[in-house]
Amino acid sequence: GAVVSQHPSWVICKSGTSVKIECRSLDFQATTMFWYRQFPKQSLMLMATSNEGSKATYEQGVEKDKFLINHASLTLSTLTVTSAHPEDSSFYICSARGWGGTDNEQFFGPGTRLTVL
Amino acid sequence: GENVEQHPSTLSVQEGDSAVIKCTYSDSASNYFPWYKQELGKGPQLIIDIRSNVGEKKDQRIAVTLNKTAKHFSLHITETQPEDSAVYFCAAPKSLGAQKLVFGQGTRLTINP
Repeated sequence: GAVVSQHPSWVICKSGTSVKIECRSLDFQATTMFWYRQFPKQSLMLMATSNEGSKATYEQGVEKDKFLINHASLTLSTLTVTSAHPEDSSFYICSARGWGGTDNEQFFGPGTRLTVL
Repeated sequence: GENVEQHPSTLSVQEGDSAVIKCTYSDSASNYFPWYKQELGKGPQLIIDIRSNVGEKKDQRIAVTLNKTAKHFSLHITETQPEDSAVYFCAAPKSLGAQKLVFGQGTRLTINP
């Protein structure tokens, strides 16, 4: 149980284009999903927290207009990187926390590697 | 807010030996401490966690100990195997009751055959 998927697993795009990444909880309903960014050989950096049906809350320094998050259902959250630039190239990982789950327990997706040319 | 420090940043052990990774935290009210294993190119996987009402938890070759007085918790892996090679992250809640986690810097564990 507690499986989280992400799509795509990797994407290459041209500078200036937008890229959408999906995060799905496959066998549970996720009341809260988190989006992280991870640079090579570094730790996970929380970008934003999304709750189903409400606006995402962003961490300090994360541009909400650049990283659009939509949590439209209890099993799906999307992250759209708008007008991507090479510095946005990174490993993006989502995690989900479900109904009745023990406090703070998060289950992570496999990640999406974004490369912006 | 919580601050988590993790040591060492790299650890190399012989297959069959034990490995210990330690994390310290700053908020004495923190009550949940998970450990994640991340293999190359993959997302983190929860391997064990502990809550503040217990001092130790064990799951086969993996154990976690918690010292609330000293505000540190440690991951112990016994009888290490090559497949244990990965990056390990500890975490703690960003603040009491918070859903967000603050992660340590990570430890790259290499098991030498």
